[in-house]
Parts: sequence; structure tokens; C-alpha cells
Amino acid sequence: DAGVIQSPRHEVTEMGQEVTLRCKPISGHDYLFWYRQTMMRGLELLIYFNNNVPIDDSGMPEDRFSAKMPNASFSTLKIQPSEPRDSAVYFCASSLALDRVDYSSYNEQFFGPGTRLTVL
Amino acid sequence: KNQVEQSPQSLIILEGKNCTLQCNYTVSPFSNLRWYKQDTGRGPVSLTIMTFSENTKSNGRYTATLDADTKQSSLHITASQLSDSASYICVVREKGFQKLVFGTGTRLLVSP
Repeated sequence: DAGVIQSPRHEVTEMGQEVTLRCKPISGHDYLFWYRQTMMRGLELLIYFNNNVPIDDSGMPEDRFSAKMPNASFSTLKIQPSEPRDSAVYFCASSLALDRVDYSSYNEQFFGPGTRLTVL
Repeated sequence: KNQVEQSPQSLIILEGKNCTLQCNYTVSPFSNLRWYKQDTGRGPVSLTIMTFSENTKSNGRYTATLDADTKQSSLHITASQLSDSASYICVVREKGFQKLVFGTGTRLLVSP
């Protein structure tokens, strides 16, 4: 498996524009997570899905952020309109369900390479 | 409030030297603790996982310890190499939840 795939790797946009980040989780994983990472706050969970259903979106900063998972192999994180303070690295991660993993990989989340977003 | 604190924030050591990174947490009830390594420009990768009953676990030159009573963990790196330069993030999972609590990380620079 190629691991978690994210696109684009880098995105530069102007304030007010719509931004869409994409993620393909590892095949067979039940959970998908979206994180944001900044120097000041580290990694923050934005939202996570279980079997394509959003479970907890309490980390989504405001209504400008939305996430979807139309099927088991694809998810998007959309920011509309974007603002300079949204500049960060956005990570997608996936994991197996708890009762299907052996001890050695217990709930490990596998991260993608991230998308570096710069909003001017 | 569930929190994970790491120290030091940053560290510079000479190649070949050892170092120890610290992690204190308040997450309860506790499920497990992971140390992740994050290279520049990449996503975090798990190094070790510690559960409540484990005190020490090694992964090559990396040794993690856990004291569940004091809610402290450490990551010891032996005979450091230039490739160890990265951020090391302590991550704790609350029992019964999928969400993880992340520390802000320690940035390690191994100098030649």
C-alpha cells in the first residue's frame, strides 16, 4: 500500500478564495482524521470519520471549514473563504478500528505527507 | 482538561551523544502513549507504543519509558545520528476514545 495520500502537497492562494484539500486513506482503514499543524499550537484534530460518517467535528474552527467523506477511499477538507490565519500544514491520517488490530499496531494512526497551505 | 506537555521544546546535541526527551500528561483514564517522530516536511511516524502495564520498550536506538503512577514518559535516544534530527511528539490516548491528545513536540537537532 502507498500509505495515506494527500494532494496537493503545497497550496498558495489569496484571501477569500476557496481551498480544497484531498485525502486517500489506506485501503481497509475504518477511521479517517483531519489535523492542522502550526508552530504555535502543534497538531490539532479538526474532524474524524468512522466508516465515512463524521463522528466528531468539534475541532473545526468555524463554519468556513467543511469536510466530507463520500466513500471509503476519499475525503476532502474545504475552506471557504480562506483567510491568512488558516495558513498551516494540514494532515490526513487513517487507522483501523480498535477490535481489528493486533497489539503491535493498536490504534496507530498513519499520517499522510501533509498539505502546506499558505493564504496571502 | 486532558493535556500533554513535553520538554525541552528544543535540543541540540552532538552526533554520537545520548539524549532524553520528557513527556508529562494528565489524560485520564489512560489507554496508551505513543512517541511519534516527524521529519521536516513529512507526517508523524510512530516509534513506540506504551500501555498501562509497560515500563520500558525499545525500538533500536530508541527506548521509551512509562511511569503510569506519575503520568510521565521519556524517550531516550542512544548514540544519536544526524538522521535523528526531527520533532518528537508524545501522544496520549484516552481510554474508550479515538481522539488523541498531542504534545507540542521537542525539536531535536543532531549536529556533526
